[in-house]
Parts: sequence; C-alpha cells; structure tokens
Amino acid sequence: DADVTQTPRNRITKTGKRIMLECSQTKGHDRMYWYRQDPGLGLRLIYYSFDVKDINKGEISDGYSVSRQAQAKFSLSLESAIPNQTALYFCATSDFAPKPGTSGRETQYFGPGTRLLVL
Amino acid sequence: EDKVVQSPLSLVVHEGDTVTLNCSYEVTNFRSLLWYKQEKKAPTFLFMLTSSGIEKKSGRLSSILDKKELFSILNITATQTGDSAVYLCAVPAGYGNKLVFGAGTILRVKS
Repeated sequence: DADVTQTPRNRITKTGKRIMLECSQTKGHDRMYWYRQDPGLGLRLIYYSFDVKDINKGEISDGYSVSRQAQAKFSLSLESAIPNQTALYFCATSDFAPKPGTSGRETQYFGPGTRLLVL
Repeated sequence: EDKVVQSPLSLVVHEGDTVTLNCSYEVTNFRSLLWYKQEKKAPTFLFMLTSSGIEKKSGRLSSILDKKELFSILNITATQTGDSAVYLCAVPAGYGNKLVFGAGTILRVKS
C-alpha cells in the first residue's frame, strides 16, 4: 500500500464550483504539505502544516484553504474554482525527527498527484 | 527572496551519453539541497547534500555540492531511456524547512 495517497486522482470541474482534494498518509509524519505544479514553474507551495494545530500559508495560498483533520489527513479546498487553478496538485509529508539511518529531516515524500482541470 | 534556478530547462541526448544538470541557489541559512526525479507522476527522492565537495553516488547518478559558489550538479553517466524524466532541485528555506523548488530540467534520452 502506498504511504501517501491522494483522492481523487483526476477531476474536471466548472468555474465557481467548490472542490476538495484529500491526502492521507500512513508514514506517521507530523508535517504535511500541498503543492501545485505548472509547466515551466516547478513545484510551488500552497499550504503546509507542522501538526494538527499548526497550519501556515505557502507562497501561493490565495484562492485555497486547508484543513488538518488528523495527523494522517490534510485536505485542500478550492472555494470557488477558476481556470488558472488548473494544475497538478501534490501532497507531501516529512518527518521532522527521523530515526537513525534514515535519509534526513528535509526529505519529503510525495503522493501520486491529482490532476485538476477547471473549465 | 529565496531562489533556486536550474539549467538547462530541457536536454535531449542519446543513450550512452553523459549529462550534467545544474542547480544554483540563493537562500538564507542554507542547510541542505535535495535532488528529485519525476517521471510520470510524483517526484521521487534521489540525494540530499549538506556538505561541500562530498560526492553522493547511486549507480550511474552522482551529485556534488559547492557551498561557496552556491550550486550543485547532478551527473548521469551512460544514460538510458529510463533516465528520461524531469529532475528537480530543491532547498529548504525559511520557517521550518519549506522546500523551494527549481523549475526542473526535462531530460529526454533517445535510443
């Protein structure tokens, strides 16, 4: 089973609709992140959460909101979708205090992505 | 402003060629630099570099960091078609290790 899962994997919606993208992880990590990826722009951070009570805006948070329902779940909402929110969305997790022998605290583990098209 | 710049943006080579991908960065309080490979979907972790001059190797891939000149390179020798992917460079920056990504280098290896 995948450690980081995202639902849905693909979504088509219309301008003005509210949609939610969900992310779940079984890695036991405290930190979770939402990114969007657009051609030529790389990955840009939307929101991040260091635990269920700590949520922070990233570089492009306008038009988005998040909810950290539990350590394992982090949802991203588009309150009123617009066409320029068409993108590939990734959820990621990281462990701030890794166990000895692991690759280091800055390593992030990504979900499979959600491809969103807003018409 | 924290910044990561990768070059070239895209590259086409033939199987067996050696390629070098570049990543330069400007961040406050540098701690580490990470390389990821992205094929069809999610990025997968390749290397994390924290010290200058120590080469990290994994099979045909290797990477080195120069903290004085603020750049890293990713080398791939004897390229194969399976190396075709987007290669992303990222640096933790700001409050709590948020990753700042470069735009990526698209590598295509032709058979």
